[in-house]
Amino acid sequence: DGGITQSPKYLFRKEGQNVTLSCEQNLNHDAMYWYRQDPGQGLRLIYYSQIVNDFQKGDIAEGYSVSREKKESFPLTVTSAQKNPTAFYLCASSQGLAGYEQYFGPGTRLTVT
Amino acid sequence: GENVEQHPSTLSVQEGDSAVIKCTYSDSASNYFPWYKQELGKRPQLIIDIRSNVGEKKDQRIAVTLNKTAKHFSLHITETQPEDSAVYFCAADAGNMLTFGGGTRLMVKP
Repeated sequence: DGGITQSPKYLFRKEGQNVTLSCEQNLNHDAMYWYRQDPGQGLRLIYYSQIVNDFQKGDIAEGYSVSREKKESFPLTVTSAQKNPTAFYLCASSQGLAGYEQYFGPGTRLTVT
Repeated sequence: GENVEQHPSTLSVQEGDSAVIKCTYSDSASNYFPWYKQELGKRPQLIIDIRSNVGEKKDQRIAVTLNKTAKHFSLHITETQPEDSAVYFCAADAGNMLTFGGGTRLMVKP
């Protein structure tokens, strides 16, 4: 279970505020991902990064931004433009993009009121 | 893009019975099909995966089958136990990202 961490576990914000979720991995993985999980639904990809200083939009990137300045870190910012930000956010990493097991972090539950 | 459909959304079985979860995918270029298990309040974890050059793979009580022609793959759990209760997700990888199914909540009644 170790190797990929997310903080904080729970996060509360007021509407209109940007918030940044942390994701760190010490698995020496090249690829990192952010997913959103809503109750009763599957995981939807927000952004992914294959290498440092490079990232691509997933299926639901609107209202989110990311950076990949270090191999170990892939923070996600939920901006005020995201219409329904309340959700469970999961970060994952893998050796490469195609055909590799993804290792997930414990998740951050964000509540925006 | 890829679309993955998963059925059923909930499945209740008696301990010791078998459970089958089915998924279909749309992109014929998909060549990697993992299954993840997510227990309540925990992170998803890989339980088994299969690649497109293989039709079936087994690991103890868990097996996965793949029919590339029909574009569907299934998870089979035999001799279910209460600790198998969780949400199971299938996924398909067409080369640069995984697309997940909507999940199946499996409940194993003792």
